[in-house]
Amino acid sequence: DGGITQSPKYLFRKEGQNVTLSCEQNLNHDAMYWYRQDPGQGLRLIYYSQIVNDFQKGDIAEGYSVSREKKESFPLTVTSAQKNPTAFYLCASSMSTGRDTEAFFGQGTRLTVV
Amino acid sequence: GEDVEQSLFLSVREGDSSVINCTYTDSSSTYLYWYKQEPGAGLQLLTYIFSNMDMKQDQRLTVLLNKKDKHLSLRIADTQTGDSAIYFCAEKNSGGYQKVTFGTGTKLQVIP
Repeated sequence: DGGITQSPKYLFRKEGQNVTLSCEQNLNHDAMYWYRQDPGQGLRLIYYSQIVNDFQKGDIAEGYSVSREKKESFPLTVTSAQKNPTAFYLCASSMSTGRDTEAFFGQGTRLTVV
Repeated sequence: GEDVEQSLFLSVREGDSSVINCTYTDSSSTYLYWYKQEPGAGLQLLTYIFSNMDMKQDQRLTVLLNKKDKHLSLRIADTQTGDSAIYFCAEKNSGGYQKVTFGTGTKLQVIP
């Protein structure tokens, strides 16, 4: 079955540590996105990638980094520079950012700093 | 920049109609979307409407768009307990990247 998979579902991090969230899709989509969800604030765009080996900052990129070495993978690293990393992180993909196509979302990763 | 606003909470009785409202500021919006999020899960696209349309109906869902007032609504007829979820309004602009901006989400509670 085609889809988009995030792992792990729950992640705990100690303060000062970097942590990487995985996002994989087998939909052959060009575009991939990372969003952060906080209560009462909707989804905020962290990074997006339109094509392999290329990505751009979203609205809240500080303290995060990404890579896009393969079409199907778009991992997000939450660095120690992110001051308030506890949140629900959602990855999405779509056929292209230049056309009206549906964005498919993963099931999310809940990150908690302990 | 773009802004999308929704009320945070709506409670309805099972069998009644639910109306979830959304306002947006970007006059260059090309498409407007409604997504549904169940607890602890990702977002699922429910429906979308082109900016040159006034209304779209899909089974129990009716989307109304007032482009002049930049107001979008989602009506769910015969609301069921399975409709309890958070509903997000989103808009896509016509810029180079065609960024999608999400609202804060409206939590719909259906009372049996």
